[in-house]
Amino acid sequence: DAKTTQPPSMDCAEGRAANLPCNHSTISGNEYVYWYRQIHSQGPQYIIHGLKNNETNEMASLIITEDRKSSTLILPHATLRDTAVYYCIVRVDNTGKLIFGQGTTLQVKP
Amino acid sequence: EAQVTQNPRYLITVTGKKLTVTCSQNMNHEYMSWYRQDPGLGLRQIYYSMNVEVTDKGDVPEGYKVSRKEKRNFPLILESPSPNQTSLYFCASSPRSWDMSGYTFGSGTRLTVV
Repeated sequence: DAKTTQPPSMDCAEGRAANLPCNHSTISGNEYVYWYRQIHSQGPQYIIHGLKNNETNEMASLIITEDRKSSTLILPHATLRDTAVYYCIVRVDNTGKLIFGQGTTLQVKP
Repeated sequence: EAQVTQNPRYLITVTGKKLTVTCSQNMNHEYMSWYRQDPGLGLRQIYYSMNVEVTDKGDVPEGYKVSRKEKRNFPLILESPSPNQTSLYFCASSPRSWDMSGYTFGSGTRLTVV
């Protein structure tokens, strides 16, 4: 079972920031939070990951709360091409398995 | 270009006719995996391989076989396909099993079994 909870859908206006929340209240101290996205039946794409500090890369920023029970993925200037399903994943074990929940369908509107 | 290549992209077959979906990566990754994606069920892992000649079952291995005779290739074999194996399949690779940031997915194979 997925160890994360995400809202099923969100809308965002083009050019505005998209803030996607994720709850992972049972996360362990050494477990990372990963974010992937899947655009219309293409293969999922890695976005960003973090442990306890906030992270930023060329695609997005990741804000993790101090108690690590939740996080927020931020797309600073959403474009129509960011319309996708976004998955928040907590690593379960060292087998490399990604457990995908239902994710959040982000619709970026003009 | 670094990539995971799956073939075919689309396949329609009949029940019981053996088929193989190929997966190849050019990144010298140790870890490879197969997932299937179904509406309402999300992506589920079928098999994975930590390295050459090492394979293990994922969550839904029934009806599938895999092999890892060389590092770059990880074919998915359906010995006797059935309609409940109609799905969208993804192959993925990563430098190491614990490095989930390094996952690269293929473009997918849409399989229909009639």
